[in-house]
Amino acid sequence: SFVLTQPPSVSVAPGQTARIACGGNKIGSKSVHWYQQKPGQAPILVVHDDSDRPSGIPERFSGSNSGNTATLTISRVEVGDEADYYCQVWDSDNDLNWVFGGGTKLTVL
Amino acid sequence: QVLLVQSGAEVRKPGASVKVSCKASGYTFSDYYIHWVRQAPGQGLEWVGIINPNGGRTGNARRFQGRVTMTRDTSTSTVYMELSSLTSQDTAVYYCARSHKPGYSSGWSTYWGQGTLVAVSS
Repeated sequence: SFVLTQPPSVSVAPGQTARIACGGNKIGSKSVHWYQQKPGQAPILVVHDDSDRPSGIPERFSGSNSGNTATLTISRVEVGDEADYYCQVWDSDNDLNWVFGGGTKLTVL
Repeated sequence: QVLLVQSGAEVRKPGASVKVSCKASGYTFSDYYIHWVRQAPGQGLEWVGIINPNGGRTGNARRFQGRVTMTRDTSTSTVYMELSSLTSQDTAVYYCARSHKPGYSSGWSTYWGQGTLVAVSS
């Protein structure tokens, strides 16, 4: 099945830009979605279809996807952005199957 | 508004089964697939399976083959996920999540249940 690889952790100072990578074989040919999850809470969708934001998600959250890497970019990082972030795709080679990356812990220093 | 409300926490012994419910409201129940996703303590998200409330067709991750059963009750707009032959490795929070578009099993989810903790311990 399709494998998504994320760095376990990313650290950034407030006001700086955080970039969280999600690697997969030819992931650029798939639609990638990103979720934010804070402790004890259900995941929240922050980007879908590589770079689209759901309503209510700040413009500071953006995404890109090309080649073997998709990237979630958080600009002007705030303390409240500290959370786990997961990338997700639909694995069309396995019927009806979602695949998640292992997750990245974003720490705001 | 769209709501997915899950049943409460469960404790089971190894070898037992557990059935978790997810009651949907705020939309036409049969139009949207429901996914099940779990998260073991301190671990990431793992896809368990999916059910189409329109007809009841299901699919699941290979690692749960033969152990997971998903059903639905259209009269109460509720889906169920039953996991059998439980081990300590099945201790996790189980989430239901609605597909983003009618009739689509792929894509993403904006609407998630609050999660149900299933603890397996002797």
